[in-house]
Amino acid sequence: DAKTTQPPSMDCAEGRAANLPCNHSTISGNEYVYWYRQIHSQGPQYIIHGLKNNETNEMASLIITEDRKSSTLILPHATLRDTAVYYCIVRATGGSSNTGKLIFGQGTTLQVKP
Amino acid sequence: EPEVTQTPSHQVTQMGQEVILRCVPISNHLYFYWYRQILGQKVEFLVSFYNNEISEKSEIFDDQFSVERPDGSNFTLKIRSTKLEDSAMYFCASTTGRNTDTQYFGPGTRLTVL
Repeated sequence: DAKTTQPPSMDCAEGRAANLPCNHSTISGNEYVYWYRQIHSQGPQYIIHGLKNNETNEMASLIITEDRKSSTLILPHATLRDTAVYYCIVRATGGSSNTGKLIFGQGTTLQVKP
Repeated sequence: EPEVTQTPSHQVTQMGQEVILRCVPISNHLYFYWYRQILGQKVEFLVSFYNNEISEKSEIFDDQFSVERPDGSNFTLKIRSTKLEDSAMYFCASTTGRNTDTQYFGPGTRLTVL
């Protein structure tokens, strides 16, 4: 089962920031937080990941709380093309038995409206 | 930018037939994965593959499924005798590393079993 909790759906106005929350209260010290999105039935698209520091790239920013029990993905200026299902995934690092598989939950369906 | 490719994009088959889904991972990647997504459901891990052998498989990946990397570039998923419930999107993913590196997904193959 997924180790994260996300709201099932959110709306955002085009041009505004979209803030997508994720709870991962049982996260371990060696687990990263990854965000992917899936537009319609396309393959999941990598967005960003982080361990404990906030991260930013050309797509989004990731804010991780100091206790690492929750995080927020921020799309600074949402467009209609950002309408998708967004998945927050915790992923362990290290360990010879860890094959790196991703465990997806139901994600948050973000609807960007004009 | 390098990307994972998958063929065919859509495969229609009769129940009981064998199908082979093909993937070309990113060229310097070493770890390979198959996931599936039944319509309206979440993305599920099937199998991971490294160094020419399966490193992990899920309960879904029973004896009807097999994977192969026949020629150093392609990565295939074979379903020996398809069932109606095998109808789904099948996604291939690859990564350079196992635990810390980002997985990149292909666009998927939609398998329809009649």
